[in-house]
Amino acid sequence: DVKVTQSSRYLVKRTGEKVFLECVQDMDHENMFWYRQDPGLGLRLIYFSYDVKMKEKGDIPEGYSVSREKKERFSLILESASTNQTSMYLCASSLPGLPNYGYTFGSGTRLTVV
Amino acid sequence: GIQVEQSPPDLILQEGANSTLRCNFSDSVNNLQWFHQNPWGQLINLFYIPSGTKQNGRLSATTVATERYSLLYISSSQTTDSGVYFCAVSTDSNYQLIWGAGTKLIIKP
Repeated sequence: DVKVTQSSRYLVKRTGEKVFLECVQDMDHENMFWYRQDPGLGLRLIYFSYDVKMKEKGDIPEGYSVSREKKERFSLILESASTNQTSMYLCASSLPGLPNYGYTFGSGTRLTVV
Repeated sequence: GIQVEQSPPDLILQEGANSTLRCNFSDSVNNLQWFHQNPWGQLINLFYIPSGTKQNGRLSATTVATERYSLLYISSSQTTDSGVYFCAVSTDSNYQLIWGAGTKLIIKP
């Protein structure tokens, strides 16, 4: 069964900490995405990547960075966590090019920053 | 940019009822997908349907691209159908998925 695996289901971090959220997919997908989901705001795209070592900003990249050193792994980094980054973080992958076919999500990481 | 509106925002039904969820979009799309997020947060792709009609068991979807809307039908609802249903689209000028706010469906036993 194909999978997108996020390293943590729940995470509690302190303000100012550097936080790493890891995502691994086993489908050999070129595209990978990081979203955050907040009540009433739906899914908002933070960053995406179409290839190894490649990254593009989404709609809300401020306060975040990403790393994609290997095709199967896409990491989201909160350089200095703040309370307004408390949210559900979702990783996804898809087949290359249009039209984002085969979109598959991980089970999410619920991050609380205290 | 393109706007994606879903209705109703909330829907509460008894088990066995049928339901229709709607997704309106403001511009031409090359891609439309329906997703279901279960109460534990897992998102599953239901349909890839930029036009036409598809069926998968009790679920079916129809997209009328010329009129810029899509409908998701759920027949004989079960409690496991509960969750949030999202519509997401992309266009020729922006091939990232643009998400609607979702319809929260609660099926009561």
